[in-house]
Amino acid sequence: GIQVEQSPPDLILQEGANSTLRCNFSDSVNNLQWFHQNPWGQLINLFYIPSGTKQNGRLSATTVATERYSLLYISSSQTTDSGVYFCAVVQDNAGKSTFGDGTTLTVKP
Amino acid sequence: NAGVTQTPKFRILKIGQSMTLQCTQDMNHNYMYWYRQDPGMGLKLIYYSVGAGITDKGEVPNGYNVSRSTTEDFPLRLELAAPSQTSVYFCASRRQGLNTEAFFGQGTRLTVV
Repeated sequence: GIQVEQSPPDLILQEGANSTLRCNFSDSVNNLQWFHQNPWGQLINLFYIPSGTKQNGRLSATTVATERYSLLYISSSQTTDSGVYFCAVVQDNAGKSTFGDGTTLTVKP
Repeated sequence: NAGVTQTPKFRILKIGQSMTLQCTQDMNHNYMYWYRQDPGMGLKLIYYSVGAGITDKGEVPNGYNVSRSTTEDFPLRLELAAPSQTSVYFCASRRQGLNTEAFFGQGTRLTVV
């Protein structure tokens, strides 16, 4: 099956810093989503981004499907950005998602 | 709009007990899924359904069963609970189609002792 690799596995930032999280996938995909799992375990939809670039406030994402990667940018990070960021891809008609193992982000005040 | 609702939020089971995790969605989505998340890992697919009356196994189906009698509901049954089933369980749904967004419930944290 498809492999989804996220990097870095862990990231520690000072409040106000910028960061880039990467998601590589081993085969072509139909769609891709980025999620934030907050410290309470909830999965929050950040972006649905099979290709192109989207922005939502301090967050933006870019997927280059032909090169099989996606990037999540966090600017001016805040302590509330802490948590685990997951990338999930879909290949088949049944819409089954394959998740990476996530990037754990810690933002220190 | 409630979205995807899971119950219960937390549960402790003894080895060998059984239980049903409930999942319901009010978005009229055809596709529904059950995932489990072990500590420090991403989510893995247990079972999925592309419509009422249709279910199929995912990556880690052993020890679980599902049914889909209505579009709204997709319960997950654990028979003979084992410590290896200690995990957080997520239900998700999406509209039918290649390019659709998945929506997740808040999760059920299950501990088997």
